[in-house]
Amino acid sequence: GIQVEQSPPDLILQEGANSTLRCNFSDSVNNLQWFHQNPWGQLINLFYIPSGTKQNGRLSATTVATERYSLLYISSSQTTDSGVYFCAVEDPGGYNKLIFGAGTRLAVHP
Amino acid sequence: EADIYQTPRYLVIGTGKKITLECSQTMGHDKMYWYQQDPGMELHLIHYSYGVNSTEKGDLSSESTVSRIRTEHFPLTLESARPSHTSQYLCASSVLKAGRDEQYFGPGTRLTVT
Repeated sequence: GIQVEQSPPDLILQEGANSTLRCNFSDSVNNLQWFHQNPWGQLINLFYIPSGTKQNGRLSATTVATERYSLLYISSSQTTDSGVYFCAVEDPGGYNKLIFGAGTRLAVHP
Repeated sequence: EADIYQTPRYLVIGTGKKITLECSQTMGHDKMYWYQQDPGMELHLIHYSYGVNSTEKGDLSSESTVSRIRTEHFPLTLESARPSHTSQYLCASSVLKAGRDEQYFGPGTRLTVT
């Protein structure tokens, strides 16, 4: 099956710093989503981005489908950005079953 | 955005009890999903449904069962809870619209079996 790898696994930042999170996947995909899981366990949708670039405030994402990777950029990080960031791709078998990466655990300190 | 509700949010229960985790969505999405997540780990799909009376097992084997009698409701049942079932269970829904099939998640149920 398709493999999804995220890096780095852990990241510690000072407030105000910028960061880049990476997601590599092993097969072509029709659907790629980025999520932020907050300390209470809720998954928040960040981007639906099977290809191209999108921006939402301090966050932006780029997916290069032909090279099978996606990047999530966080600028001017805040303590509320802490949590786990997951990349998920659709199983190539279809039916919109999502395969999740292991996540990047981000801690932003004041 | 989808409104997805899960109850209970937290549940501590003894071994051998039958439990049902509730999941409802109000957006009329045809697809619904259950994922299991151990602390600090990735999510794994355990059940999914494409509509009423449709249920399928996901990639991670689970002793739980699901039903889809109404579009908005997708409950998950464990007939006899065991400590190995301790985990977080997350429900999601989606609908294909304008070529976009984005999944939205509920707040999760954190289950502890003692």
